[in-house]
Amino acid sequence: KNEVEQSPQNLTAQEGEFITINCSYSVGISALHWLQQHPGGGIVSLFMLSSGKKKHGRLIATINIQEKHSSLHITASHPRDSAVYICAVGFFGNEKLTFGTGTRLTIIP
Amino acid sequence: GAGVSQTPSNKVTEKGKYVELRCDPISGHTALYWYRQSLGQGPEFLIYFQGTGAADDSGLPNDRFFAVRPEGSVSTLKIQRTERGDSAVYLCASSLGFTSYNEQFFGPGTRLTVL
Repeated sequence: KNEVEQSPQNLTAQEGEFITINCSYSVGISALHWLQQHPGGGIVSLFMLSSGKKKHGRLIATINIQEKHSSLHITASHPRDSAVYICAVGFFGNEKLTFGTGTRLTIIP
Repeated sequence: GAGVSQTPSNKVTEKGKYVELRCDPISGHTALYWYRQSLGQGPEFLIYFQGTGAADDSGLPNDRFFAVRPEGSVSTLKIQRTERGDSAVYLCASSLGFTSYNEQFFGPGTRLTVL
């Protein structure tokens, strides 16, 4: 049973659109990571969150500890943003990461 | 500096054969992780090392899988009597420390195909 759920599984949008990818988890966590995986490529860490909000360029990540939910936003999306975005969490008492199944994002020019 | 490297990038083997997958972590990273990723899925934890010792091997699916890190740097994942279900991308990652707060740096993976 996967304790990390992501939605949507697939998302296709036009260039320039505002993108939101969601991650929810079942119990308390110590940290949440957002990762990016390009087709045929390796995984790159985007953010680590334990509370609040972080911003890097056009990417924004937020986390709501009470609601056990995090979102990854992309502003002014671009075709090069096309990738799989993966949420991973470390649960209290079990610090290894548990990964979601990923959201496949396709940005059409 | 160099990132995490993995060799080979692709490995095709026959059912029942033995394979070794190698991971070179970032220099100075004490924590090293092995994951397995099947098509359309997120990575699945296999084992992690803190230094030379396996601190948590609870993700290894059975005793055909074994991993070593004898000098606290390079690690080898060993799979005996391979089965078709072992086909996946095997990912290695390293980090400065083992907590969920530490950023993990991933290698490009080894794609294993068992015929």
